[in-house]
Amino acid sequence: KQEVTQIPAALSVPEGENLVLNCSFTDSAIYNLQWFRQDPGKGLTSLLLIQSSQREQTSGRLNASLDKSSGRSTLYIAASQPGDSATYLCAVAAYSGAGSYQLTFGKGTKLSVIP
Amino acid sequence: EPEVTQTPSHQVTQMGQEVILRCVPISNHLYFYWYRQILGQKVEFLVSFYNNEISEKSEIFDDQFSVERPDGSNFTLKIRSTKLEDSAMYFCASSLGAGARNNEQFFGPGTRLTVL
Repeated sequence: KQEVTQIPAALSVPEGENLVLNCSFTDSAIYNLQWFRQDPGKGLTSLLLIQSSQREQTSGRLNASLDKSSGRSTLYIAASQPGDSATYLCAVAAYSGAGSYQLTFGKGTKLSVIP
Repeated sequence: EPEVTQTPSHQVTQMGQEVILRCVPISNHLYFYWYRQILGQKVEFLVSFYNNEISEKSEIFDDQFSVERPDGSNFTLKIRSTKLEDSAMYFCASSLGAGARNNEQFFGPGTRLTVL
């Protein structure tokens, strides 16, 4: 059974700092990996999706890497801003039949960016 | 930008009552999902749905749960007889299609279900 772990559980950084969030997964037979942002009491916003054949994906100040063989992904946030404060979730996709993909989530890293 | 919508945003019900949670997926998407998140816990997969059939369901999705696409736009999750432990945030998601480039899942804002 796939298990996804995110470290650290919480992180507090001063504004402007670069930071790295970590995600690890136990079964390397994944189809893709998605990083999400979740604000308190809100839904999930997809930030980046990395296909299993890719090593890296970038969107603005965000860069996600994937090392499938070692079961790891990182989300790099450059020049952090107070508006980046949220919980960041990592989710891996496994094929669940008829073309659909089931996501298994980590518990998230709660990021606080201090002005 | 197209988005997944869900109604209601918050539903309060008595234990044993039936509830229906509604979702409108992104219009050209073909794959639909329900997930739930109990307060303080991980987001958990419940069920996936394609071509008017369940593709996969988790062990959470027992006989008390059902899904339906009653028309061309709505996707519903029904809980027949709610229990206290069904209290959670329920998220609907959709994806465009199969294949590596199309399976990014887009989530709705969620319905917070409170069972008293």
